[in-house]
Amino acid sequence: AQKITQTQPGMFVQEKEAVTLDCTYDTSDQSYGLFWYKQPSSGEMIFLIYQGSYDEQNATEGRYSLNFQKARKSANLVISASQLGDSAMYFCAMREVNTPLVFGKGTRLSVIA
Amino acid sequence: GAVVSQHPSRVICKSGTSVKIECRSLDFQATTMFWYRQFPKQSLMLMATSNEGSKATYEQGVEKDKFLINHASLTLSTLTVTSAHPEDSSFYICSALQTSGRISSYNEQFFGPGTRLTVL
Repeated sequence: AQKITQTQPGMFVQEKEAVTLDCTYDTSDQSYGLFWYKQPSSGEMIFLIYQGSYDEQNATEGRYSLNFQKARKSANLVISASQLGDSAMYFCAMREVNTPLVFGKGTRLSVIA
Repeated sequence: GAVVSQHPSRVICKSGTSVKIECRSLDFQATTMFWYRQFPKQSLMLMATSNEGSKATYEQGVEKDKFLINHASLTLSTLTVTSAHPEDSSFYICSALQTSGRISSYNEQFFGPGTRLTVL
């Protein structure tokens, strides 16, 4: 079964607008971490934001915030004030205890001027 | 954050040759490193988990005799693609865990910049 599901293969957003990238996950563990990474065309994986399963507050990092809804097992990424440089692939990932990161299929975000 | 390097960044080789990719943690010791493979327009798929001083653990469907992993020191893991074929052409990314011991959900994996392998 898919551990991480990203249902949006591609998204478009107008520059300066906000965009939400969806991510749902599947785990029976109580302790786990959720991550978002950005992958530009160069291929490098850029860490954006982390949410721990026990964290009560939604994580925020600059223009990135994570909308964590534990009961629904969703961890959507919100990017505010989109910039042209935000155009890239975005991967949601999860790590359970004693396991490596597992990635979703990704969402390609295109920011339009 | 911690820095992980990979070498080479790009390699083109003939079918049947072997290619070695190095992954180094530059400013921390990594007892555990991971190797991922990414085909075009797809996600990262875990190939194997490499632990310093012991044999690597391979994911289902990954041929351990074809993808040789050596983690001989706390800062270096190598992936050797033996007798490479065109279907092995892919983007290979390594990742290192900064802390040693038990993997917790709070540890952060640091990624190398990747190696693009093209087999002719």
